[in-house]
Order: sequence, then structure tokens, then C-alpha cells
Amino acid sequence: AQSVTQLGSHVSVSEGALVLLRCNYSSSVPPYLFWYVQYPNQGLQLLLKYTTGATLVKGINGFEAEFKKSETSFHLTKPSAHMSDAAEYFCAVSPQGAQKLVFGQGTRLTINP
Amino acid sequence: SAVISQKPSRDICQRGTSLTIQCQVDSQVTMMFWYRQQPGQSLTLIATANQGSEATYESGFVIDKFPISRPNLTFSTLTVSNMSPEDSSIYLCSVEEGLARETQYFGPGTRLLVL
Repeated sequence: AQSVTQLGSHVSVSEGALVLLRCNYSSSVPPYLFWYVQYPNQGLQLLLKYTTGATLVKGINGFEAEFKKSETSFHLTKPSAHMSDAAEYFCAVSPQGAQKLVFGQGTRLTINP
Repeated sequence: SAVISQKPSRDICQRGTSLTIQCQVDSQVTMMFWYRQQPGQSLTLIATANQGSEATYESGFVIDKFPISRPNLTFSTLTVSNMSPEDSSIYLCSVEEGLARETQYFGPGTRLLVL
């Protein structure tokens, strides 16, 4: 069965600093990979996804993620944090050809002024 | 992406009662999904709903507790039956899109508190 591990349930960075949220997955074959963001009292919004092709994926709000097969990782980064980035971030995977999503435990991102 | 709405957005219910949550999509979709997000936790898939057939439930979820309807390609309901405080959660529906139907987009969620 596939699983997703997000390292760090809470990450705190200063405004303007680099954001790095870590995600590792376990799968016998490369799955589809996703990052979602959940702002307080809202549903999930898709930030970006990797299916095939270029391993560096750019998403909304300046976020990007790189699929590294050798490391089974899909870490999320943003060069400069903004106060509006404060939210819960979820990494998710699904086997290719299947629609079922498996979510990580989430990382709460706090931005310090 | 599809626009998804849910009703109610939140509710407070008494134990032993049932609540039906509605999910409406602005376009026709084949598959709809229902997730539960318990307080401070991640999302867990409850079931997959395909129009015209019985929903497929994940391990740990049963139809008697979470009956689902899917009467057409734009609408689904999830009922939380005989509620207990442990059912207090956010319930989210999602739909699949993309060339390979690989991406799920989520509704705003229904926040349920059971007293």
C-alpha cells in the first residue's frame, strides 16, 4: 500500500525566508504526486501536481516542487515566504491509473513577521 | 476546474441524529469522492461514488453509517447516521478532472460538531 510521510507537523519561517516542506512517499512505481493547501475554515486547493514529464513543477502562488525518484521525494518550496502563505499543506499521492488519493498528515506553516 | 459547493457549510447536531450533506458540481463528472477530516488530522477517503452504481467504501467505513446517493452526474449526498461525538469532523467532497482523470478538486467542506 502506498503511504506518504510529511516531515514536520509544524514549520515556522520568517516573512521573506525560504519555505521548504518535505514529502516522501513509498510506492513500487512512481505515482502521481500532489500538493494541496488548506486555509483556515476552507476546503483544499490544488497547489501543483506531478504526473509525467519535467520533474520540476511550478504551481500557484510562487510554489514549486521537484520529483526525485531516487529519493522518493516531492518537496515543496517557495523562495520568499509571505504572510498569506500561512496555512496547512498536504502532500498526496495516487497510483497511476487510479483515482484514489492518499494524504500525508499535513504540515502547518506559520509565517513570522 | 469544476466549481464545487457543499451544503450545509457547518452544523451542530445532537447525538443519535442523522445529517445529510449535499455536494453540487457545475459540470458533469464521472466520479465523486467523500473524505473525512477529523480535528487536527489529515483526510481519509470514505467512499467513491459513481453515478448509477453503489458507492465503493474504504476499509473502516460502512454503508449503514455513511449512506451515499449519486442520482446524476452533478450531485451527490453523504448521510452521517446515528451520530456520536466521534463523528465531529470536516466532510469534503471532491471530483476528478484531468486528461487521465488523475486530479481531484475539493469542495469547501462541511464542518460538523456532534454534541
